[in-house]
Amino acid sequence: GQQLNQSPQSMFIQEGEDVSMNCTSSSIFNTWLWYKQDPGEGPVLLIALYKAGELTSNGRLTAQFGITRKDSFLNISASIPSDVGIYFCAGLSRDNAGNMLTFGGGTRLMVKP
Amino acid sequence: DTGVSQDPRHKITKRGQNVTFRCDPISEHNRLYWYRQTLGQGPEFLTYFQNEAQLEKSRLLSDRFSAERPKGSFSTLEIQRTEQGDSAMYLCASSLMEQEQFFGPGTRLTVL
Repeated sequence: GQQLNQSPQSMFIQEGEDVSMNCTSSSIFNTWLWYKQDPGEGPVLLIALYKAGELTSNGRLTAQFGITRKDSFLNISASIPSDVGIYFCAGLSRDNAGNMLTFGGGTRLMVKP
Repeated sequence: DTGVSQDPRHKITKRGQNVTFRCDPISEHNRLYWYRQTLGQGPEFLTYFQNEAQLEKSRLLSDRFSAERPKGSFSTLEIQRTEQGDSAMYLCASSLMEQEQFFGPGTRLTVL
């Protein structure tokens, strides 16, 4: 089946630093999504990417859909304590199970004030 | 708040009991999805509905799992004869056709 490899698994950074995380896949996806999840809550959508090569920003967040359609990255600039959480990439393909999202394993971000 | 809602938020049950979870999607969304998330992992797709039709259910973990969306609005996920391995967070999401999926807060199931 499809798998998404997300890295790094965890990051411990100083407040104000920039952060970068990425996902790679052995399969092509039509859409890439990035979510943030706080403990005990559901994932919250941050950014959606629809076209290969697309670069999209949402405040301090920037994400790109890789040209090969097999990868994506998320950057967070000038991190703040409330950025703490687990970030998941998710790929959407329509070759099976309709709108099934395939998730990466997550990147746990910790920010030191 | 008009986001996806799930009930209950937490459920503790004894092995062998049946449990049912409810999901209310965003009102104009016609697609509804169920995912399961175990500790330290990303969500794993289970099944989805378009209106009242269940279009994919081959990913349900066993025949003990079933889902319904009888009127195309809210949905229920039932697990029969629960096992300790069923302990997880059960997430519901909704979307308008093939657009972005928005998740609810989840139901955390603990099977003793």
